[in-house]
Amino acid sequence: GAVVSQHPSWVICKSGTSVKIECRSLDFQATTMFWYRQFPKQSLMLMATSNEGSKATYEQGVEKDKFLINHASLTLSTLTVTSAHPEDSSFYICSAMDRPEAFFGQGTRLTVV
Amino acid sequence: RKEVEQDPGPFNVPEGATVAFNCTYSNSASQSFFWYRQDCRKEPKLLMSVYSSGNEDGRFTAQLNRASQYISLLIRDSKLSDSATYLCVLGTSYGKLTFGQGTILTVHP
Repeated sequence: GAVVSQHPSWVICKSGTSVKIECRSLDFQATTMFWYRQFPKQSLMLMATSNEGSKATYEQGVEKDKFLINHASLTLSTLTVTSAHPEDSSFYICSAMDRPEAFFGQGTRLTVV
Repeated sequence: RKEVEQDPGPFNVPEGATVAFNCTYSNSASQSFFWYRQDCRKEPKLLMSVYSSGNEDGRFTAQLNRASQYISLLIRDSKLSDSATYLCVLGTSYGKLTFGQGTILTVHP
């Protein structure tokens, strides 16, 4: 089946620094990718829809200037958490659709100290 | 009202038991329906799609009732390896997914 690769799988960073997470579709092209966030004991919440060649669409309550999304090619979307703070610590997961199924990256566990 | 609501759980069942999960959704325009499984600290993995006609995959049976906006998952002959969080998920045609809160299942010997 289709594979979505996400990197890094975990990262620890200091408050105030920025972290970039990459999401790649390895054997299919994805004009649209999705970024989710999952806090402990909660379900996945959609943060934004990443559109190749155009601006991302953010869900209500998600700061676009804090969570920068770039989708420069049909196989790569990146999420940059800028000026990270401890409350940004979470599990971030990307997904891409290879019809009819959505495939997920392995997730990135971000810890901000 | 949440867009997708699931049984709160957790469910603790012995091996061999039959367990059923329920899910209701509020958006009648939802186009596709899934059950995903998520293991601790891992990404969700598709368990099965859900159709109005019902579908079965081995020990798993899923059912969709569009009129009642209700989705179910039945697991027969539970195995230890079935222990996970089960997510009821709605999808759009372009891939956006809306997740329920998940129901934790623990199968014990």
